[in-house]
Amino acid sequence: AQSVTQLDSQVPVFEEAPVELRCNYSSSVSVYLFWYVQYPNQGLQLLLKYLSGSTLVKGINGFEAEFNKSQTSFHLRKPSVHISDTAEYFCAVSRNYGGSQGNLIFGKGTKLSVKP
Amino acid sequence: SQTIHQWPATLVQPVGSPLSLECTVEGTSNPNLYWYRQAAGRGLQLLFYSVGIGQISSEVPQNLSASRPQDRQFILSSKKLLLSDSGFYLCAWSVTRSSNQPQHFGDGTRLSIL
Repeated sequence: AQSVTQLDSQVPVFEEAPVELRCNYSSSVSVYLFWYVQYPNQGLQLLLKYLSGSTLVKGINGFEAEFNKSQTSFHLRKPSVHISDTAEYFCAVSRNYGGSQGNLIFGKGTKLSVKP
Repeated sequence: SQTIHQWPATLVQPVGSPLSLECTVEGTSNPNLYWYRQAAGRGLQLLFYSVGIGQISSEVPQNLSASRPQDRQFILSSKKLLLSDSGFYLCAWSVTRSSNQPQHFGDGTRLSIL
């Protein structure tokens, strides 16, 4: 069975500092990987996705993530955060096989708090 | 472009009352549809998914049910709400039968049970 672990439930950081949100997954088959952001009282918005090819993926709002197959990780990074990046971030994995329902397995989320 | 709508945005219901939450998608055909519940500190729990009209799969046993009466309409229901049904309910859609496509989420319904 697949699972997703987000190692930090909360990450406080000062404005303009770099940030890394960690995500590890477990799966016996190849996977697709996603990061979503959720602002308070809103739905989830896709930040970026890894399907294949280059292991460094760039997304919206200046975020990027690197897929590391040997470490089964997909950490999210931003070199300089803004107050507006304060939100909850979810890592998700989808099993790579034909005829899938497209079901995603989500981590429990990391709350990023950017302080002035 | 595709859009997804959920309503109501917030709902306060007494224990034992019925529930009906509606979700509709526009701009796409034959989507996969999903209902999630998000409880504080517990991430997202997939409740139901549907790959077509009348086809519903339940992920966890619970007090809720789902129906898909039309291609782009997904309804979450309960006959008698429990306190434990409180939470933030999210509807999502994705391109059918494709595991490499992301899911797209509605703005959610905040359900409070009194």
